[in-house]
Amino acid sequence: TQLLEQSPQFLSIQEGENLTVYCNSSSVFSSLQWYRQEPGEGPVLLVTVVTGGEVKKLKRLTFQFGDARKDSSLHITAAQPGDTGLYLCAGGVWGNAHGQNFVFGPGTRLSVLP
Amino acid sequence: DSGVTQTPKHLITATGQRVTLRCSPRSGDLSVYWYQQSLDQGLQFLIQYYNGEERAKGNILERFSAQQFPDLHSELNLSSLELGDSALYFCASSTSSGGNPYEQYFGPGTRLTVT
Repeated sequence: TQLLEQSPQFLSIQEGENLTVYCNSSSVFSSLQWYRQEPGEGPVLLVTVVTGGEVKKLKRLTFQFGDARKDSSLHITAAQPGDTGLYLCAGGVWGNAHGQNFVFGPGTRLSVLP
Repeated sequence: DSGVTQTPKHLITATGQRVTLRCSPRSGDLSVYWYQQSLDQGLQFLIQYYNGEERAKGNILERFSAQQFPDLHSELNLSSLELGDSALYFCASSTSSGGNPYEQYFGPGTRLTVT
């Protein structure tokens, strides 16, 4: 059974600070996705990384997929109150053709204070 | 707006009852995924359909079933409901034809409350 762990579980920082959240597993995934979810709403996809060692940047967000495709990190530069939310990572596991089982981590709840 | 629609938005029902949740994927998406999100267990993958066929199964109870219709909308049926089934149920869709099959787009969810 593939499991994803995320750390920290909770993070409260001041506006303008930098932060990194982590997503770790002992399993290899075909892809790794990061989502942000706000209360009562569905998760919103931020990025998908597929290749081990891949780094993607999305404005102030930098995502990295570990070389062994077992872990990932999300770094936010100069955090803003609008970054507040639950950050989820999800690992893709191929079953059969077009069949994927996605495993989600428990999330990191980020609060950015003005 | 992800383009994925789910109805109803809220559902309150009693234990032992049966409910049906509906999902319409984004235009052109062939895959539909169902997830359950509760406070104590996070987001749990239930089942995936691709173009009408079941393709992957997760932690879905035997009391739950799903199907995807020819017009690609999907329904999740929950029967013999228990208090512990109270949760947010999300549908997500993705395309496996010409697009990135790894990307899922989530609907707004259905909040089920079993009393």
